[in-house]
Amino acid sequence: QKEVEQNSGPLSVPEGAIASLNCTYSDRGSQSFFWYRQYSGKSPELIMFIYSNGDKEDGRFTAQLNKASQYVSLLIRDSQPSDSATYLCAVMNSGYSTLTFGKGTMLLVSP
Amino acid sequence: GAVVSQHPSWVICKSGTSVKIECRSLDFQATTMFWYRQFPKQSLMLMATSNEGSKATYEQGVEKDKFLINHASLTLSTLTVTSAHPEDSSFYICSAFQTSGMADTQYFGPGTRLTVL
Repeated sequence: QKEVEQNSGPLSVPEGAIASLNCTYSDRGSQSFFWYRQYSGKSPELIMFIYSNGDKEDGRFTAQLNKASQYVSLLIRDSQPSDSATYLCAVMNSGYSTLTFGKGTMLLVSP
Repeated sequence: GAVVSQHPSWVICKSGTSVKIECRSLDFQATTMFWYRQFPKQSLMLMATSNEGSKATYEQGVEKDKFLINHASLTLSTLTVTSAHPEDSSFYICSAFQTSGMADTQYFGPGTRLTVL
């Protein structure tokens, strides 16, 4: 059974702070890792994907992957109230197209 | 990023009627599309995998005769909810799978909110 675990939150951070969202996965065969943002009542929006160990930066977002620890994280620098949403971690196995999602972490950024 | 559209964005229908939802990949071809359902404050639930030119693969517990999926072209998949009932009211979201080596990714449509009276 492939599992993706996330803390459901809410994670509350003040505006301008760094938000750190974490995710662990059970299947060592997982090859690609994704972070989606979902606003209430909307569909998920892809923020970042990562497939190599280490960090990947895109603007205020940094994804971090540690395959040995089966751990992936998302850092959001200079958090804004507009970042308040549920963040979904998802993993994909090589050769497959289906995603296994975590239940999501709700992030609340207060002004 | 890749763009996926859904139509309609919302629909209200009477119990017993059928509703068709379209999912289109606008700027890429998608051999594979996915259909999800999400109830309020719950996680995404994968309903089925739609492959162009072949039968869809349904997840356990999803009635294939109730949720008809057709993937007739590389840019269009449709989900038909047949004989809809109030318990089918939900947020239906499709995604399209874009292949590009290690960056293979699912891009989601904006979703269709179905209300069955």
